[in-house]
This record gives sequence, C-alpha cells and structure tokens, in this order.
Amino acid sequence: AQKITQTQPGMFVQEKEAVTLDCTYDTSDQSYGLFWYKQPSSGEMIFLIYQGSYDEQNATEGRYSLNFQKARKSANLVISASQLGDSAMYFCAMREGRETTDSWGKLQFGAGTQVVVTP
Amino acid sequence: NAGVTQTPKFRVLKTGQSMTLLCAQDMNHEYMYWYRQDPGMGLRLIHYSVGEGTTAKGEVPDGYNVSRLKKQNFLLGLESAAPSQTSVYFCASSRTGGSMNTEAFFGQGTRLTVV
Repeated sequence: AQKITQTQPGMFVQEKEAVTLDCTYDTSDQSYGLFWYKQPSSGEMIFLIYQGSYDEQNATEGRYSLNFQKARKSANLVISASQLGDSAMYFCAMREGRETTDSWGKLQFGAGTQVVVTP
Repeated sequence: NAGVTQTPKFRVLKTGQSMTLLCAQDMNHEYMYWYRQDPGMGLRLIHYSVGEGTTAKGEVPDGYNVSRLKKQNFLLGLESAAPSQTSVYFCASSRTGGSMNTEAFFGQGTRLTVV
C-alpha cells in the first residue's frame, strides 16, 4: 500500500507567486517524521524541511513552510515567492515507527511533484 | 566532508551478470538506505539498515541483496541483473536518536543500465 501520496505530477507557477505541493500519508503510528526534499535536474537530493508528528507548530525554513494537518494526515509544502531556481522535482517522505516496531527507521518517499517556475 | 559516496557512478551490465554497488558514509550514521528511482515512480525503498549487522526489506527488495558488515558501508548486490533493474540507484544515511528529526543525506546516485 502506498504510504505517501503526492497527487500532483506537475505544476507550473509564475515567478514570485506562492505554490502549495500536496502530500498525504498513511500510518498507524503516533510517532513519525515528515520530510520534504528537492531534486533539481542535476539529480542531487536536497533536504528542505522537517515536521515531527508531535510538533504543535508548523515547520518553517526560509521561504518553505509546511502546512501540517495531523487529523487529515496531510503535510503540504508551501513555497512562497517562487524563484526560477525552485524549478525541480519535490518529494515528500515519512519515517515512521518507534524502536519497538518492525518498521522503525524506514524512510519512504512519494512519487514526487515536478514544479516549473516561469518568468 | 565526503558525506555519502556511491561507487560506481555509472555501469552497464549484460543480462544475467552480477554486480555490487558500494555506499560509504563518514558521518557515523546508524541508518542507511538503498533506493531506486524510475521515471514517474519517485524513490522506492529497496532495503535498509538500522545498524551494523542489520538489514530489512523495503518496498521492492526482489532481485537485490544487501549487507552491512561495517557501520560505514552498505552494499547492494544484484545477483543476476535483469533489464527491469535499469534505474538510478541512490544510497542515503541518517543518524538516529530520540528525535525523529534526522534528515537523510544522499549520495550522488548510480546510473545502471542492464542490456
């Protein structure tokens, strides 16, 4: 079963606008972490932002913020003031499980959303 | 800082050949992962390890084996390569601890083609 779902295969956004990338996840654990990564065309994986399941505040890192809705099991990434350099593939990921469960440490990714920023 | 190093960067195999991909990290991380990336599929977890001497299956383990004999190294083996294993392979590592905020650091990837 797919643990991480990213429903938007691709998006166009104009420079300086904000964009929201959707991510929903599936877990029965209470303790888990959610991550967003960026993969530019050069191929490297760049960590953007983290949200813990017990964090009460939504995570923010510069122009990146995470809209965390625990009851809905969603962790959407918001990029404000888009720049041309934001054009890339974006992946949502989850690490679930306490050390007492079989799946602890497992880190799984969604299929990704391709973002193209236009002038 | 070397971080996570994958070798080789590129490889072409013939169907039925075997090979081993090496992942080495110098950050003393407990967790290590192997993923494959195919167009439209994102990163799919092949195998992972939560510590030296441990391995566990991910989403797509068939056709692959792994070993973690040393903490800093995680090897991915293909015993009999098939064209369906043509992909870009990524290794990653992360530290562990009480906090879940342990981002994974990735290698540069290995582009494998099986003909």
